[in-house]
Amino acid sequence: EVQLVQSGPELKEPGESLKISCKGSGYNSYNYWIGWVRQKPGKGLEWMGRIDLSDSYTNYSPSFQGRVTISGDRSLTTAYLQWTSLETSDTATYYCAIQQGSSWYLAYWGQGTLVTVSS
Amino acid sequence: QSVLTQPPSVSGAPGQTVTISCTGNSSNIGSGYDVHWYQQLPGTAPRLLIYNNNNRPSGVPGRFSGSKSGTSASLTITGLQAEDEADYYCHSYYRIRLSDWVFGGGTKVTVL
Repeated sequence: EVQLVQSGPELKEPGESLKISCKGSGYNSYNYWIGWVRQKPGKGLEWMGRIDLSDSYTNYSPSFQGRVTISGDRSLTTAYLQWTSLETSDTATYYCAIQQGSSWYLAYWGQGTLVTVSS
Repeated sequence: QSVLTQPPSVSGAPGQTVTISCTGNSSNIGSGYDVHWYQQLPGTAPRLLIYNNNNRPSGVPGRFSGSKSGTSASLTITGLQAEDEADYYCHSYYRIRLSDWVFGGGTKVTVL
């Protein structure tokens, strides 16, 4: 069974750094990407970027380029999403998902990590 | 404002058929890129409902179907059930912004 387990909720202050994780199991990490999706409270889904865990190649949506960093550890089958300086506007639930297939649909999803940024 | 346009809400009585549209342009759906659909039940993570325009993953009921034509795609729920009340999102590739996948704004389905 394919599973993505994300790290727990975070409460941070503006300006702080943060790194959240997404650990996968039950699939071959050489054949899939891990994508990250943001959902602000009461709002829709936004695709942020993705990583190929086999070679750590990443690409980002222009909306998120330079604001977050996606990384991964193939041996741990884990992907990460990090910020160097959080803003209150980063308050959201962040989902990771396995992006697969010829057209890269989001086949399996993690449970989400709620990040709250408040002073 | 999303690149893919969905109606904010649709509703129907149990047993009825509802259709959700997803309208794009020549830079995404109209260029032949596949459309995928996700269901998000209240308080839960999204799940894949339809992939590559009209394919259902195992475990998705047959009352859900998808189609694509020109610059638009549609998700149809035939025989609406109470447990179908959720948010639904379409998803496709957007070639203007290299390696960018975009979602529709989402549609809330209400079962009357």
